[in-house]
Amino acid sequence: RKEVEQDPGPFNVPEGATVAFNCTYSNSASQSFFWYRQDCRKEPKLLMSVYSSGNEDGRFTAQLNRASQYISLLIRDSKLSDSATYLCVVNLNTGFQKLVFGTGTRLLVSP
Amino acid sequence: GAVVSQHPSRVICKSGTSVKIECRSLDFQATTMFWYRQFPKQSLMLMATSNEGSKATYEQGVEKDKFLINHASLTLSTLTVTSAHPEDSSFYICSARRGAGIYEQYFGPGTRLTVT
Repeated sequence: RKEVEQDPGPFNVPEGATVAFNCTYSNSASQSFFWYRQDCRKEPKLLMSVYSSGNEDGRFTAQLNRASQYISLLIRDSKLSDSATYLCVVNLNTGFQKLVFGTGTRLLVSP
Repeated sequence: GAVVSQHPSRVICKSGTSVKIECRSLDFQATTMFWYRQFPKQSLMLMATSNEGSKATYEQGVEKDKFLINHASLTLSTLTVTSAHPEDSSFYICSARRGAGIYEQYFGPGTRLTVT
């Protein structure tokens, strides 16, 4: 079983739509969680951290369910510029902090 | 924000040759640097972690004699792919951590290696 699992997509949505991505992780000792965005042939960039109480940054809302080992990202009012791959990332603090990446979910926003 | 550079951004080499990739933290001293590899449609996979002045720690399944890592200073780490083969063709991304916190890890723009 992969340590971080995501639906690869692609998710094809029209501009203005709301879209949600899910992610599950296998290591219950995981301590911190993130969503990264990766554009084609580029490096990943931190989109937002994910907190237990849930957190929002503009059109983006992230939620964490530790009991279910489940993380989500909600994007409201999708823009064309949101088209990218969204990576679910988990920090395994096994004596040394190490980021583990999911394979990513591809989002395509069309006019 | 913090800036990490990689050089070259793209390299094509012949099978059997060695390729060196540089990773630099431009405006901060990196206590730790990481090397990742990403194959098409796959996730970033950590290859190794290096601290300045000490030997790199390799992930399981990564050959340390094939992927040589030198972390000579707090702003420079190099990855040398020795005797490259076509299956080594991939996107190699370095990352530098400024402090002890996981939140201060910054990624370079990546190097696309093609071995013919």
